[in-house]
Amino acid sequence: NAGVTQTPKFQVLKTGQSMTLQCAQDMNHNSMYWYRQDPGMGLRLIYYSASEGTTDKGEVPNGYNVSRLNKREFSLRLESAAPSQTSVYFCASRLRTSGGVDEQFFGPGTRLTVL
Amino acid sequence: AQRVTQPEKLLSVFKGAPVELKCNYSYSGSPELFWYVQYSRQRLQLLLRHISRESIKGFTADLNKGETSFHLKKPFAQEEDSAMYYCALGALQGAQKLVFGQGTRLTINP
Repeated sequence: NAGVTQTPKFQVLKTGQSMTLQCAQDMNHNSMYWYRQDPGMGLRLIYYSASEGTTDKGEVPNGYNVSRLNKREFSLRLESAAPSQTSVYFCASRLRTSGGVDEQFFGPGTRLTVL
Repeated sequence: AQRVTQPEKLLSVFKGAPVELKCNYSYSGSPELFWYVQYSRQRLQLLLRHISRESIKGFTADLNKGETSFHLKKPFAQEEDSAMYYCALGALQGAQKLVFGQGTRLTINP
């Protein structure tokens, strides 16, 4: 199992450019998440998808859109990139069972720089 | 509103010394608390949950509802414990979201 995969690993954009960050998981998890990690701010939730076909805003959704393409894939789109969106982006999926397991599994991250 | 505070951005201790990473939370419901860890060049991963009451890699954390705290402790630090540690809060039932603290970078000196 590859777990959670993200592409690309690195990206440099100019202000105003658009791009889509891709995320996929092969663990058959229902819930998926997008976070950004900034120094001194920890991880902040951008958007999440509780199940296929649903998406909800997190703490910092402005400037982003998401698509839950199917159960495996959850993409994050920046329509018009701004320097404030320079960050490391993490995708995660969640395993939660009636037996008491509750764990988020994270991807390797995408380091995005907006000039 | 849910909030997690980790008051120490950086913590440095010597090998063999005790370690305590502080975490305080604010939540009106029944909380579920987690510690996640990110070692150098590795992915963020779950270390432990309060509901499991386990000791993982020698670390323990006790939920203190009176003090709204979930501090992470280890009696004897090892160099391989150097990492970034995040405390996270979720609702005990139903909720899908976790709120993370700002993180504490722990450095174990030889």
